[in-house]
Amino acid sequence: AQKVTQAQTEISVVEKEDVTLDCVYETRDTTYYLFWYKQPPSGELVFLIRRNSFDEQNEISGRYSWNFQKSTSSFNFTITASQVVDSAVYFCALSPITGGGNKLTFGTGTQLKVEL
Amino acid sequence: KAGVTQTPRYLIKTRGQQVTLSCSPISGHRSVSWYQQTPGQGLQFLFEYFSETQRNKGNFPGRFSGRQFSNSRSEMNVSTLELGDSALYLCASSLADLASGANVLTFGAGSRLTVL
Repeated sequence: AQKVTQAQTEISVVEKEDVTLDCVYETRDTTYYLFWYKQPPSGELVFLIRRNSFDEQNEISGRYSWNFQKSTSSFNFTITASQVVDSAVYFCALSPITGGGNKLTFGTGTQLKVEL
Repeated sequence: KAGVTQTPRYLIKTRGQQVTLSCSPISGHRSVSWYQQTPGQGLQFLFEYFSETQRNKGNFPGRFSGRQFSNSRSEMNVSTLELGDSALYLCASSLADLASGANVLTFGAGSRLTVL
C-alpha cells in the first residue's frame, strides 16, 4: 500500500518569507515517481515537478526547490521569497513507475497563505 | 493548445438520480484518469482509461463507472447518487503508453457535483 503524509494542514507566511512544505511517503515499490501539484482557488491542479526514485539530486527552478531524501522517505518543497500569488493548496503525490499507470496517491494537501 | 475540458462545471442533483460527466483530453493524449476530491477523503483515484480500455480502477463502488471513446474523450457516470457523492470530480489526461508508468497528468478544472 502507498501512503503520502503532509502533516502541515495550513501555513501562513508574510510575503518574501521562505517556506518549506513537508512530504513523507511510504511505499513497498522499489521504483516510483514523486510529484508536487498546486491547486489555486480555481480548482485546477497544476503540475510542478516529477522526480523518480533513482534520482536523488535536489532541484531548483526559479524560486522553487525540492529536496528528495530517500533515506528518510521525504520529498520537501521550498518556496523562496514567497509571493501572494503562491497562495494555494499544494499536494504531494506518489505512483509506482511500473504497473501503476496514472494512479497517483495524493497527500491531504497543505494550504499556503501568503499575506502582504 | 487547448487544455483538458470538463463539462459541466457545476451541477446539482438529488439523491437517487444519476449523473454523467464529460472530459475532453488534450489533443494527442491517449490516457484519461478520473479523481474525486472531497474535504473528508481528499483526492482519490477513480479509474484510468487508455485506448478505450479501463487500465486501473480505484476503490469505489460499482455505481461509479466510466468509458472512453475512440477520440479519447471520456465520460464517467455515477448512478443512484448519495449525499456523500458530492465532490469535485477532476479529469486528467496524459500521453501515457502501455509500457510506461506514471506520466505527467494535466488536470481539468473539474466538475463540482452537489447532491441534495
